[in-house]
Amino acid sequence: DGGITQSPKYLFRKEGQNVTLSCEQNLNHDAMYWYRQDPGQGLRLIYYSQIVNDFQKGDIAEGYSVSREKKESFPLTVTSAQKNPTAFYLCASSIELVRDPSTDTQYFGPGTRLTVL
Amino acid sequence: AQSVSQHNHHVILSEAASLELGCNYSYGGTVNLFWYVQYPGQHLQLLLKYFSGDPLVKGIKGFEAEFIKSKFSFNLRKPSVQWSDTAEYFCAVNADYGGSQGNLIFGKGTKLSVKP
Repeated sequence: DGGITQSPKYLFRKEGQNVTLSCEQNLNHDAMYWYRQDPGQGLRLIYYSQIVNDFQKGDIAEGYSVSREKKESFPLTVTSAQKNPTAFYLCASSIELVRDPSTDTQYFGPGTRLTVL
Repeated sequence: AQSVSQHNHHVILSEAASLELGCNYSYGGTVNLFWYVQYPGQHLQLLLKYFSGDPLVKGIKGFEAEFIKSKFSFNLRKPSVQWSDTAEYFCAVNADYGGSQGNLIFGKGTKLSVKP
């Protein structure tokens, strides 16, 4: 079954701890994205990657880090430097970076809800 | 900077009522426009998209949207809503095809609640 998986579904963290959110896709997509969703805020882009071993900051990258060692995987680490980490985190992928209307659709995972205690 | 505005935070309708959700964007050049939907407990999924051609775009589940360039708008419509349309709807814009990183700018979302 093709798709994007994120784990865990719910995550609790104590203040001052780093935590890593998993995102895996078996769609053979080159591009992957991390968004943060807050109530009434919509989705805001944290990081994106268009190819293995390359990634770029999005609009709200401070306090986050990513890696892209494999095409299928794009884990997000929420560091202790992130001032307000409690949020719903969505991972997405697309065939390539959105350059061609025929291949541009982003597919989203089910999300991870992170709560800092 | 590009931005997307969705006028209504929460819309409550009875079944069979007509729906129109507003979306405006701020970019004067060529745009590509999307509506995504997030049903309770489900993934965000694409409802419809516009790139070129006919400004009236039809999507899944009877939804349609009209691109009005002069008004910088891409409103979502459905003539008769059902209880199963209860969800959060997000408008998104990509305004730099071919030249930029190709990222989507999302609006803040509109929650639709349909009363049976």
